[in-house]
Amino acid sequence: NAGVTQTPKFQVLKTGQSMTLQCAQDMNHNSMYWYRQDPGMGLRLIYYSASEGTTDKGEVPNGYNVSRLNKREFSLRLESAAPSQTSVYFCASSVLAESYEQYFGPGTRLTVT
Amino acid sequence: RKEVEQDPGPFNVPEGATVAFNCTYSNSASQSFFWYRQDCRKEPKLLMSVYSSGNEDGRFTAQLNRASQYISLLIRDSKLSDSATYLCVVPPSGGSYIPTFGRGTSLIVHP
Repeated sequence: NAGVTQTPKFQVLKTGQSMTLQCAQDMNHNSMYWYRQDPGMGLRLIYYSASEGTTDKGEVPNGYNVSRLNKREFSLRLESAAPSQTSVYFCASSVLAESYEQYFGPGTRLTVT
Repeated sequence: RKEVEQDPGPFNVPEGATVAFNCTYSNSASQSFFWYRQDCRKEPKLLMSVYSSGNEDGRFTAQLNRASQYISLLIRDSKLSDSATYLCVVPPSGGSYIPTFGRGTSLIVHP
């Protein structure tokens, strides 16, 4: 039982490049989330998927897109990376969207130059 | 008032000490709260949930003061391994699913 897994662990992009961050959970959770964490800031929600087939914007969705591929997988795409997107990205899941007992993946450290 | 506020610390305490952190919140409609622990360069992990009756788990006690709108986390008999950042989380109200994470309080336990 791996919990929440994320790939890649580290990534360096040049401004304007695109990439997709992958997330998968094996806990049969309904809800999945993407957060970013910047120094001196709390975790901020980018997008979430309350259930398979739905996605919604969080606090800071601009510059990102998501896909809930199936119940297990939730990907985050940066279409044209900007230096302001340098951050640590965490994926999380929970049984239900109303439950804030969330389980986090190990994170992806992204640097955009 | 910001939605969720935490003293960033660091709180520097010796092993065996008792230490407490507070987290103030502005949404008076929130019913439940959570404490997460985050080690350096790691993911947050759920530590405890906090409801009106409070919660105790071993050396950790979480309390809710609804009148003053804060939650607290008390750690007794601190261990070196308790060194981490402690994040409080306030769920939203009104049909949103967007929780608010505090910026965290850093705890350093030294020998």
